[in-house]
Amino acid sequence: NAGVTQTPKFQVLKTGQSMTLQCAQDMNHEYMSWYRQDPGMGLRLIHYSVGAGITDQGEVPNGYNVSRSTTEDFPLRLLSAAPSQTSVYFCASSYSIRVNTDTQYFGPGTRLTVL
Amino acid sequence: AQSVTQLGSHVSVSEGALVLLRCNYSSSVPPYLFWYVQYPNQGLQLLLKYTTGATLVKGINGFEAEFKKSETSFHLTKPSAHMSDAAEYFCAVSYSGAGSYQLTFGKGTKLSVIP
Repeated sequence: NAGVTQTPKFQVLKTGQSMTLQCAQDMNHEYMSWYRQDPGMGLRLIHYSVGAGITDQGEVPNGYNVSRSTTEDFPLRLLSAAPSQTSVYFCASSYSIRVNTDTQYFGPGTRLTVL
Repeated sequence: AQSVTQLGSHVSVSEGALVLLRCNYSSSVPPYLFWYVQYPNQGLQLLLKYTTGATLVKGINGFEAEFKKSETSFHLTKPSAHMSDAAEYFCAVSYSGAGSYQLTFGKGTKLSVIP
């Protein structure tokens, strides 16, 4: 198993550009999520999905869109990038939607800079 | 709303000394508590978790944590620090019921181990 994979590893955008961060898992996990990590802020939940076709907002969803058309993939879209979205983005997944007991498996992260 | 507070954004210990990383939670319902570790330029991985049952939880790499309801704490300890323990550590909380699809992270504590 490759686990949770994220592409790209690094990305530089200009303000106003759009892009999609890719996340895939090959463990048949039901739950997937996106976090952003900023210095001194820990990880903050952006969006999550409890199954194909089902998504919901987390703590900091503004400026981001998600969809989940398959169990394996959970892309994160930045519609119009802003400097405030400069961050490291992590995708995570777990076998079931029982986040309160299941282990979250994290991808290696995407480091995004918006100029 | 649930939250976790990690006391000390940076902790330094000598190799062989006790490691103590502090975490306090705020929750109106029984919490589920986690410690994750992040090595440089990597994603997070689970160290240990408390769901129900025994309040002293043992994890990987010699770490353990004790759930103390009276003190609303879940401090992480290791008797003897090793150079390889240098990393950032995150406490996280979840709970059952409405909104239980979210994991809330603390801001993290960076552990340095001095030779």
